[in-house]
Amino acid sequence: DIQMTQSPSSLSASVGDRVTITCRASQGISNYLAWYQQKPGKVPNLLIYDAYTLQSGVPSRFSGSGSGTDFTLTISSLQPEDVATYYCQKYNSVPRTFGPGTKVDIK
Amino acid sequence: EVQLVESGGGLVQPGRSLRLSCTASGFTFGDYAMSWVRQAPGQGLEWVGFIRSKVFGGATEYAASVKGRFTISRDDSKSVAYLQMNSLKTEDTAVYYCTRDPASVTKFFSGNYYYYYMDVWGQGTTVTVSS
Repeated sequence: DIQMTQSPSSLSASVGDRVTITCRASQGISNYLAWYQQKPGKVPNLLIYDAYTLQSGVPSRFSGSGSGTDFTLTISSLQPEDVATYYCQKYNSVPRTFGPGTKVDIK
Repeated sequence: EVQLVESGGGLVQPGRSLRLSCTASGFTFGDYAMSWVRQAPGQGLEWVGFIRSKVFGGATEYAASVKGRFTISRDDSKSVAYLQMNSLKTEDTAVYYCTRDPASVTKFFSGNYYYYYMDVWGQGTTVTVSS
């Protein structure tokens, strides 16, 4: 099975900072990667699919890039409401594995 | 409003069975694949399995950790997806979410291929397996 890793596992940044989270697949997955945001105590929410397509209603400060094995989620200007854990997920094949998550908080 | 509502969670002893339901509203249920995802206390997300739409035969796929014990089914007439969980283990303790799975379609010379992500999540139902 393809393994998904994320780095860092956690980060702390200031409001307005540019934040980048990396997701890596152990084998190529083309662009079949999604990013989800889970705020504390809440249900996960789709941010990006197909590696870079922004889901409707998601603020434009979120963006995704990458293909093959290396992907990034970028928050261009971190806001207090972005405190959450972010998960990548591959869906090129089963199992549709999630990454372990990256916890983002405000410094 | 597009909505998914899970039900059926609770406390169950190891080795017993439980059936979860996911009731959908606000969209044409039969047009979509549906997944189940779980989250153990304080842990990350784990994909459990999914069922394709009837157009694709309602075929199912499962994670290795539940294959042979869990079964996903659907009743399009009721807009409900089910997760039948048998031979439950303590490690199955988690919040169980159902999701709606739209497809990203890629056209190859050999035909169309469908890749499913998760765009709508239910609020989750808690399953606790303990004696």
